[in-house]
Amino acid sequence: AQSVTQPDIHITVSEGASLELRCNYSYGATPYLFWYVQSPGQGLQLLLKYFSGDTLVQGIKGFEAEFKRSQSSFNLRKPSVHWSDAAEYFCAVEGTNAGKSTFGDGTTLTVKP
Amino acid sequence: GAGVSQSPRYKVAKRGQDVALRCDPISGHVSLFWYQQALGQGPEFLTYFQNEAQLDKSGLPSDRFFAERPEGSVSTLKIQRTQQEDSAVYLCASSRSTGTTSGGFYEQYFGPGTRLTVT
Repeated sequence: AQSVTQPDIHITVSEGASLELRCNYSYGATPYLFWYVQSPGQGLQLLLKYFSGDTLVQGIKGFEAEFKRSQSSFNLRKPSVHWSDAAEYFCAVEGTNAGKSTFGDGTTLTVKP
Repeated sequence: GAGVSQSPRYKVAKRGQDVALRCDPISGHVSLFWYQQALGQGPEFLTYFQNEAQLDKSGLPSDRFFAERPEGSVSTLKIQRTQQEDSAVYLCASSRSTGTTSGGFYEQYFGPGTRLTVT
C-alpha cells in the first residue's frame, strides 16, 4: 500500500529565509507525487507535481521540489519565504490506482515577520 | 471560471441524523472524488466517480456512507445515522480525467469543503 510521511508537524521560519518541507513516500514503483497548499477555510491548491523525467520540478509561487528515488523523498523548497506562504502543506502520492491519492498529515508553516 | 463548489459549507447535525453534502464539479470534468479530512490530518480518500459510474468506494468507512452522481455531474455524499466520529471536513475534487499507468495526468481541483460537526 502507498503511504506518505511528513516528519515535521509544524515549522516556523522568518520572512525572507529559505524553506524546506520534508516528504517521504512508500510505493513499489515510480509514483506520481504532489504538493498541495491549504489556507484556512480553503480547499487544496496544487503547487507542483512529478510524474517522470527531470527530478527537479518547478511549481507556482516560487516553489520547487526534488524527487530522490534512492531516498524515497520529494522535499519542497522555496529560497525566500513570504508572509503569505503561511499555510498548511500536504504531500501526496498517487499510484497505479488512478485518481486515488494518499496524503500525508501535513506540515503547518508559520512565517515570522 | 467557476471552480468546484460545495454546499453547505458548514453543517451541524445531532447524532443519529442523516446528512447530505453536495458537490458541484467544474463543468465538463469527468472524474469526481470525495475525501474526508479529520482535524489535524491529511485528506483521506473516500470514493471516486468517472461520469456516473462509481469506480472505487474502498475508502467509505461504513455502510452508513453513500455517494451518488446520477447524471455524471453533481454528486451527493450521504451519511446516515451520523456519529461523532463522522465530524470532519469533507472535500470534493474534480478533474478532466484521471492518469493511467501509461502516462497522462489531469489535475484534481478541490472545493472548499463542508465542515460537518456531529453533536
